[in-house]
Amino acid sequence: SQTIHQWPATLVQPVGSPLSLECTVEGTSNPNLYWYRQAAGRGLQLLFYSVGIGQISSEVPQNLSASRPQDRQFILSSKKLLLSDSGFYLCAWKGARQETQYFGPGTRLLVL
Amino acid sequence: AQSVTQPDIHITVSEGASLELRCNYSYGATPYLFWYVQSPGQGLQLLLKYFSGDTLVQGIKGFEAEFKRSQSSFNLRKPSVHWSDAAEYFCAVGAGSGGSYIPTFGRGTSLIVHP
Repeated sequence: SQTIHQWPATLVQPVGSPLSLECTVEGTSNPNLYWYRQAAGRGLQLLFYSVGIGQISSEVPQNLSASRPQDRQFILSSKKLLLSDSGFYLCAWKGARQETQYFGPGTRLLVL
Repeated sequence: AQSVTQPDIHITVSEGASLELRCNYSYGATPYLFWYVQSPGQGLQLLLKYFSGDTLVQGIKGFEAEFKRSQSSFNLRKPSVHWSDAAEYFCAVGAGSGGSYIPTFGRGTSLIVHP
């Protein structure tokens, strides 16, 4: 069966520091991968999605970037964090020819 | 492009009471429809989905949802709510295929369960 992992689970970082969040999927090949951000009391905002290695689509202009160095690995990065980057970051995957997304456990990021 | 509306930000019910969470969508054809549940500090868990066929869909944890094309709705129901059902519930709409498939999520409904 398929499993999705995210780490770290929680992260506290100072403003201006770099960021790297990792998401990996097991048990499937060539998944579509997604990064969402969820601010407190708000819905999900799609940040990036990827249909293959090295293929990244950005939904909103921002301080963040994403990369997909391997088929089942999706990384969310920033060179300099802002206070507004605080939130709950969710990674999701779906099969290339399927319609259902499955979510990871999330990473809580607090920028101070 | 598709859109989805969850008109209720908060819903409060007593334990043992019935529950209905509303979801309305906008799309030219029949979309893929989903309900997810999110407990505090957790990821989203799929409750149920509708693609085609029988318009009444059964999911996990005793939930069901009914697709009504005439009302563009996909409301989530449960006959008897348990305290553990307190969570955030998201309706989602998907359309397109391949790389163009980007699901759209509603803002969520927070369910509060009173003992």
